[in-house]
Amino acid sequence: EDQVTQSPEALRLQEGESSSLNCSYTVSGLRGLFWYRQDPGKGPEFLFTLYSAGEEKEKERLKATLTKKESFLHITAPKPEDSATYLCAVQAYSNSGYALNFGKGTSLLVTP
Amino acid sequence: NAGVTQTPKFQVLKTGQSMTLQCAQDMNHNSMYWYRQDPGMGLRLIYYSASEGTTDKGEVPNGYNVSRLNKREFSLRLESAAPSQTSVYFCASSEVRDSPYGYTFGSGTRLTVV
Repeated sequence: EDQVTQSPEALRLQEGESSSLNCSYTVSGLRGLFWYRQDPGKGPEFLFTLYSAGEEKEKERLKATLTKKESFLHITAPKPEDSATYLCAVQAYSNSGYALNFGKGTSLLVTP
Repeated sequence: NAGVTQTPKFQVLKTGQSMTLQCAQDMNHNSMYWYRQDPGMGLRLIYYSASEGTTDKGEVPNGYNVSRLNKREFSLRLESAAPSQTSVYFCASSEVRDSPYGYTFGSGTRLTVV
């Protein structure tokens, strides 16, 4: 059975304090790994897609990386507006209709 | 562009009542999905429609039915609501089922069953 585990569950950073969020996965045939951001009371918003080990994607203060067993979302010099829940999802060849299988998320709070 | 629109935004039902959650997208996407999000459980797939005219069960389909009315609209029906169906429901769409841009989500329907 496919599994997606995110850690930590919650993270509190001071503004400017860089850190990383982890997403480990066990799937039969990874097709793609997705990162989303979710603000309170809203739907998830797409950030990145990664397809192969060694691939990296960047957007402003965020950088996502992928290995054969896990993905990291690195946050460099975060600002309070980066506070949100970050969701990781995997798309596997074994999933019905290639539907995304989500982790439980990491809740990030950045304080001034 | 509106993207994915869900109605209603909030709903309170009594146990045993029925209701339909509506979802419409204006991006000409082929694939549409219904997820539920519960504290500590993450997003779980209820049903999906890979293309107009097809629907398939996801991880947690029991107690739900869906209708892909046309390319734009994908509704979720609760025939006899139960307290266990208290959740936040998200509709999503994608251009194709394996789009590199992932899914576009609506803002959710917050359902409470008492």
